[in-house]
Amino acid sequence: NAGVTQTPKFRILKIGQSMTLQCTQDMNHNYMYWYRQDPGMGLKLIYYSVGAGITDKGEVPNGYNVSRSTTEDFPLRLELAAPSQTSVYFCASRRSGTAVRTDTQYFGPGTRLTVL
Amino acid sequence: QQPVQSPQAVILREGEDAVINCSSSKALYSVHWYRQKHGEAPVFLMILLKGGEQKGHDKISASFNEKKQQSSLYLTASQLSYSGTYFCGTDRSGNEKLTFGTGTRLTIIP
Repeated sequence: NAGVTQTPKFRILKIGQSMTLQCTQDMNHNYMYWYRQDPGMGLKLIYYSVGAGITDKGEVPNGYNVSRSTTEDFPLRLELAAPSQTSVYFCASRRSGTAVRTDTQYFGPGTRLTVL
Repeated sequence: QQPVQSPQAVILREGEDAVINCSSSKALYSVHWYRQKHGEAPVFLMILLKGGEQKGHDKISASFNEKKQQSSLYLTASQLSYSGTYFCGTDRSGNEKLTFGTGTRLTIIP
C-alpha cells in the first residue's frame, strides 16, 4: 500500500492564480481531511469528508473548495490564490465505524505552497 | 477551541526525561499524540480514550485525565531521535474531527 499520496510536493503560485492539490489514499478509508500548517504553527482543519459525495467545512475553509467523487480521491481547490494561503498542506485519511474509534489519522507527505 | 500545550519548547540532554501537557476547555472523547520532524508529516504515536487510561511503548507513555480534560505525554531517558515537535489532537465526540494543539518543540542534545 502506498498509503496517502499528495501531488505536487512543491508549487509557487502568483496572486490570483488557481490550482488543485491532489490527494489519494489506497486504504479504503471513508474519512479524509485537509489541513494547513503555517510555519511554526499547528494544524488547522480546512475541509473534511466522511465518504464519497459528503464534505463539510473545518476551521478555516475560506478560499478553498473540495469535492469527493470517489473513496480514494479528495482534491483541494484554491481559487484566486492569496499570499495568506502560503502554507504546507497535509491530507489525511482514517477508517470509519464505531469498532475502529481507536484508530487514528494517517497523513500524506504534504504540499508546500508559496503564493507570491 | 484549540487545546493548549505546555511547555512551548524544551531542550534536554540525551537521557533526561520530559513531560508534555495538553489541556482542553471542553470534555474530550479521546486524545491523539503525534510527533513531527522538520519538513515531514506528523507521525502517530498513540491514542488515549476517556476513562483515564495510560498507554506506552518503549520509553514513551501517556495518560489522560478525563475530569481535568488533560493529557500528558512522558518521554523517559530521551534519545536524539525524540527531537521534533509534538502535537496533541483532541476529539470531543468520537467522530474523529481532531483539533490540534499549539505544539511543543523538543530538542535533544548529546
